[in-house]
Amino acid sequence: NAGVTQTPKFRVLKTGQSMTLLCAQDMNHEYMYWYRQDPGMGLRLIHYSVGEGTTAKGEVPDGYNVSRLNKREFSLRLESAAPSQTSVYFCASSDGEHYEQYFGPGTRLTVT
Amino acid sequence: GQNIDQPTEMTATEGAIVQINCTYQTSGFNGLFWYQQHAGEAPTFLSYNVLDGLEEKGRFSSFLSRSKGYSYLLLKELQMKDSASYLCAVRDGDYKLSFGAGTTVTVRA
Repeated sequence: NAGVTQTPKFRVLKTGQSMTLLCAQDMNHEYMYWYRQDPGMGLRLIHYSVGEGTTAKGEVPDGYNVSRLNKREFSLRLESAAPSQTSVYFCASSDGEHYEQYFGPGTRLTVT
Repeated sequence: GQNIDQPTEMTATEGAIVQINCTYQTSGFNGLFWYQQHAGEAPTFLSYNVLDGLEEKGRFSSFLSRSKGYSYLLLKELQMKDSASYLCAVRDGDYKLSFGAGTTVTVRA
């Protein structure tokens, strides 16, 4: 039982490059979330999904696209990376009963 | 929008007690969470309050007053391993959580 996993763990991109972050959970959770965490600003919600085939915008969605591939997997794509997207990205999941969110280990992304 | 405030930093001595306050003004309220986050790691769940009052879980307790928009996390018998950031988060009307910026607690020997 791995919980929530994320790939990759680290990545350095040049401005304008694209990449996809992958998240998978094995807890049969309906809800999945993508956050970014920057110093002094806490966790900010980028996009989320309330079930397979659904996605919705969070607090800071611009520059990001997501896809709920199936119940287990939720991807985050940066089409044209910018230095302002340098951050630590966390994926999380929760069920529909307790709403406690379980977090993945994070992806540290640097855009130069 | 959501407004969740907590102190930036706190320092305490090993074996002591520390209280981390959190005040919130949110468009809806369906519960308040506390998470612990060690440097370079993911947040992990500590506690959840949805009704007023105190919830105790070992050395950690969390309190909620919905009428005052106020919560605190109490850490007793501090240990060096408790040095971490503590995040207050409010669940509004649906599935999302809004997080405060976090309080970094440093435990000194």
